Amino acid sequence: GQQVMQIPQYQHVQEGEDFTTYCNSSTTLSNIQWYKQRPGGHPVFLIQLVKSGEVKKQKRLTFQFGEAKKNSSLHITATQTTDVGTYFCAGRAAGNKLTFGGGTRVLVKP
Amino acid sequence: GAVVSQHPSWVICKSGTSVKIECRSLDFQATTMFWYRQFPKQSLMLMATSNEGSKATYEQGVEKDKFLINHASLTLSTLTVTSAHPEDSSFYICSASGGAKEKLFFGSGTQLSVL
Repeated sequence: GQQVMQIPQYQHVQEGEDFTTYCNSSTTLSNIQWYKQRPGGHPVFLIQLVKSGEVKKQKRLTFQFGEAKKNSSLHITATQTTDVGTYFCAGRAAGNKLTFGGGTRVLVKP
Repeated sequence: GAVVSQHPSWVICKSGTSVKIECRSLDFQATTMFWYRQFPKQSLMLMATSNEGSKATYEQGVEKDKFLINHASLTLSTLTVTSAHPEDSSFYICSASGGAKEKLFFGSGTQLSVL
């Protein structure tokens, strides 16, 4: 079945630095979504990417969908303590349900 | 944005009892809702897809007689953990799909502890 993998599993970042988390699917996706889950909270939708090579920005967050539509990345610049949480990607193959990646747990060192 | 309400937020029960968790879409109709289980520091594991007016679709390895799902209306789905055991202790979270982007709106989750 479809598998979605995220790396790294953990990301310790110094406040103010940049980092990137990567998402890879075993199958070609029709779209990919990103969610953020704060500690003790529930996942909240961030964005959806649909087109091959698509790049979308939300303030300090940049999301990219690979040309082959099998991978995606989330890049955060100038990390802040408010960025703490777990970032999940979720990929949808044509006609299928969303499959969540394992998540990247982000800790920010002040 | 759309709101999904989940109740209760936490529950402690004795082994052998049953626990019902409710998931409501407050401002939109959800023909489909999803139930997940999440262990500490792990990802969301889809348990089942709840379909309004029909039987739920369970993921491989999830016991349908253990985790009863009822989706009687367009705004309410319930998950009943029957004859709960300590190994059923977990964070259960529901979601509903709304809008053109098919994004998921999550409930706040239910932390179940079985003694």
